[in-house]
Amino acid sequence: DTGVSQNPRHKITKRGQNVTFRCDPISEHNRLYWYRQTLGQGPEFLTYFQNEAQLEKSRLLSDRFSAERPKGSFSTLEIQRTEQGDSAMYLCASSGSAGADGYTFGSGTRLTVV
Amino acid sequence: AQSVAQPEDQVNVAEGNPLTVKCTYSVSGNPYLFWYVQYPNRGLQFLLKYITGDNLVKGSYGFEAEFNKSQTSFHLKKPSALVSDSALYFCAVRDKGGFQKLVFGTGTRLLVSP
Repeated sequence: DTGVSQNPRHKITKRGQNVTFRCDPISEHNRLYWYRQTLGQGPEFLTYFQNEAQLEKSRLLSDRFSAERPKGSFSTLEIQRTEQGDSAMYLCASSGSAGADGYTFGSGTRLTVV
Repeated sequence: AQSVAQPEDQVNVAEGNPLTVKCTYSVSGNPYLFWYVQYPNRGLQFLLKYITGDNLVKGSYGFEAEFNKSQTSFHLKKPSALVSDSALYFCAVRDKGGFQKLVFGTGTRLLVSP
């Protein structure tokens, strides 16, 4: 297992189009997180899965955003009707179930909406 | 809610000199604190964490951090900086409520000059 994998690394899309990102966590990690990072800012929490259940969603996650984690393995984050304000780095992380665990992050997907 | 503050947007240090990147926290109860580093167009890499025990925590790449409960600080330190340490550094605290997501600071850019 080589860590958390995110695809694609970069995505350029026209405003109004839909985009989908994929995250493959470390296989033994049951917790998966999505964060968004804009230029000059720290990562902001979007949503959290424990196994296949989506247990927490940030208010940042508007109706245009949806995330899934079928079978508790990989996860997808979809943005519908993209807007220029959606341009950001989307980071996925995973962790084990122990309370003291930090996260292992993927390299992120950089989205540019033109 | 838990939070961290990184008061410096940027820290400049000459190679070979000691470096400190500051972080203060606000939590209820005992904190779980973390430091991550981010290189350009990459995800975050774990450096070190404080859960309990010794106030001086040693981490990756020669970094260490000192937990100070009375000052509510968790400053990142390194005795001798390298040019390759130039990157963005994030302090984070584990949220005690909800599902214990990590809450990040806004980041500090470290520039090490030759």
